[in-house]
Formats: sequence, C-alpha cells, structure tokens
Amino acid sequence: GQNIDQPTEMTATEGAIVQINCTYQTSGFNGLFWYQQHAGEAPTFLSYNVLDGLEEKGRFSSFLSRSKGYSYLLLKELQMKDSASYLCAVMDSNYQLIWGAGTKLIIKP
Amino acid sequence: GAVVSQHPSWVICKSGTSVKIECRSLDFQATTMFWYRQFPKQSLMLMATSNEGSKATYEQGVEKDKFLINHASLTLSTLTVTSAHPEDSSFYICSARGTNTGDTEAFFGQGTRLTVV
Repeated sequence: GQNIDQPTEMTATEGAIVQINCTYQTSGFNGLFWYQQHAGEAPTFLSYNVLDGLEEKGRFSSFLSRSKGYSYLLLKELQMKDSASYLCAVMDSNYQLIWGAGTKLIIKP
Repeated sequence: GAVVSQHPSWVICKSGTSVKIECRSLDFQATTMFWYRQFPKQSLMLMATSNEGSKATYEQGVEKDKFLINHASLTLSTLTVTSAHPEDSSFYICSARGTNTGDTEAFFGQGTRLTVV
C-alpha cells in the first residue's frame, strides 16, 4: 500500500532551526510537496521537489532523496507565526496526491 | 500563484437540508479538481476527484449520492451535501490543478466550514 510517515508533533524555540522529516512508499513518484496549514485554514504551498537535492526558499528549505524515499523540510530562524501543521504529500504515478497526517509544530518563545 | 476561490467560507444549516459549496479557479483553467474533508486535528481526506465534463471518481467509503459533485466547466466545480446531518459537520476544502502539461501543483481554496445543527 501507499504510505507517508511524518512525526505527529514537534516543539522548537523561536529563532532556532527545525527539521521535519517525511518518508514515503508510493506507487510511482511525480514529486513531493510540503504544505503549511494553520488551524482552521486551508493548506498553503511551501515547496515542490521532483529531483534529488536541496531547494532553498528564504527561511524554508526542502530536501529530497528518491532512492531513500525521504524528504525533509528545514525551517530556519523560527518565528512564532511558524506554529502550524506541516503536511508532506507525494504525487503518485496517477498524479494523485497521497497525504501524510501532518506534523504539528509548536514554537516556544 | 494561481487563485482558487471557494464559497462560502462557512455555513450553518439545519439537519435534512442540502448545502452547495462552489470552487472556482480564477486565473487558470482547471482540468482536475479535488474535494477533501478534514476533521479537527486530522489530515486531509480525499473525497473525490473530478475532471471537467466527466463523472467524479469517489474514494472508497464516500457516498456519491450524498456528496454530489459537478464539474461542468474548466473553472467551476461544486460539491452538494444532500440531506445533511450533524456528522457531516466538517471542514471541506477543494483544490484545482491546471491544464498545462507539467502542471503538478494543486492550488487550494480557502475551505468551507460546515456546521449542521
């Protein structure tokens, strides 16, 4: 079956760095997405990786290793507004998004 | 990025009535639209996938006669919750994917919070 695993919850300190991991097993691969979702709101797009390596966008970076079925989202210089759930999703061979359960990130002052 | 507009943002209805939720792609044509529901503190659950001009494909366990999906144009899909009951209260979110080759990202509407009383 298809499966996306990511930690349920993580806690970090304002100004620090946090890495959220995601491992996946899917039928085919057409890219991996990271979304941010604040409580009560729809997800917002953060990043898309389809090739191995690191993609950097300001404070956020996303890494992919297709051979290992692994990705991580790296958040630097954490701000209180970064408190949210972070969703990992993989697009399979049918171009369907398979979603992880999300990682709730708690930022403490 | 592309904009997907979902309406209404929230709705309260009486048990037994029907509610229609609209999802519009404002600045691009969406071949495929996805409908999700999300219970508190849970991940998105895909309900159905709709392609313009054809019948929606429903995920296992989702009643197609209860959740009617229409995707009549490349910019509009609707979800109608028929004979709503309190257990249908949830956060419903649509997303749309473009028609261009290589379009992989799906853009989300802002979601609709449905409360059935």
